[in-house]
Amino acid sequence: DVKVTQSSRYLVKRTGEKVFLECVQDMDHENMFWYRQDPGLGLRLIYFSYDVKMKEKGDIPEGYSVSREKKERFSLILESASTNQTSMYLCASRWEQGNTGELFFGEGSRLTVL
Amino acid sequence: RKEVEQDPGPFNVPEGATVAFNCTYSNSASQSFFWYRQDCRKEPKLLMSVYSSGNEDGRFTAQLNRASQYISLLIRDSKLSDSATYLCVVALYNFNKFYFGSGTKLNVKP
Repeated sequence: DVKVTQSSRYLVKRTGEKVFLECVQDMDHENMFWYRQDPGLGLRLIYFSYDVKMKEKGDIPEGYSVSREKKERFSLILESASTNQTSMYLCASRWEQGNTGELFFGEGSRLTVL
Repeated sequence: RKEVEQDPGPFNVPEGATVAFNCTYSNSASQSFFWYRQDCRKEPKLLMSVYSSGNEDGRFTAQLNRASQYISLLIRDSKLSDSATYLCVVALYNFNKFYFGSGTKLNVKP
C-alpha cells in the first residue's frame, strides 16, 4: 500500500512565525503536490513537483515556498504565517509512469494561525 | 469562475435509494475525469475514473458528456457506508494539474 505521511496532524502558530510542513511518500512516486482545503472552496493547488529539485507554482502559491531535495520528501514552507493561511493542508503523490489520475493523499495537517 | 462546480448538498437519502450527483467543468482542454470520495476528517481517495463511454463499478456508474462539459455519478442501492463527500476532479492533459470541485455531501439514513 502507498503511504503518504504528513509530519504534523495539528499545528498552532502565531502570525509571523515560519512554518514547515513535511510530507514523505514511500512508493518512489515522481510527482508530489501540496493542496489546501477550505470549506466551499475545495482543494486548491499550492505547488507541484514533478521530480527532485523541480517545482511549479500552482494556483495559489503566494506566501508559500517548497523544497524537494529527495524524491520521497516534499516540504511546504510558510515564511511568515498569516491568519488567512489557517487551513487544512494536504500532500499528495502520484506515479507518473502509471499515467493514471490516482493521487494518494496524506491525512492532512490542520494549521491554525493566531 | 471555478474550474469545477458541484452542488454542495447535502443529499439526505434512505438506505436502498438511488442518488445522482452532477458536476460541470469550465476548461474544454480537460482530458481526464474522476470521482474521489472523502470521509469526514479523512483524506480524499479515488473512487473511480470517468471514461467517455461511461463506466460502472458495482453500484456506481459514472458518465461524461464532453459536449456539455458535465460529469455525473449514480449510486444505486445506497448503503450507510456510502455517507461521505464526493469530489468531482478534472485533470489537464499532462496530469500536472488536477482541479477539484468543493464536493457534494451524501448522508444515507437507515
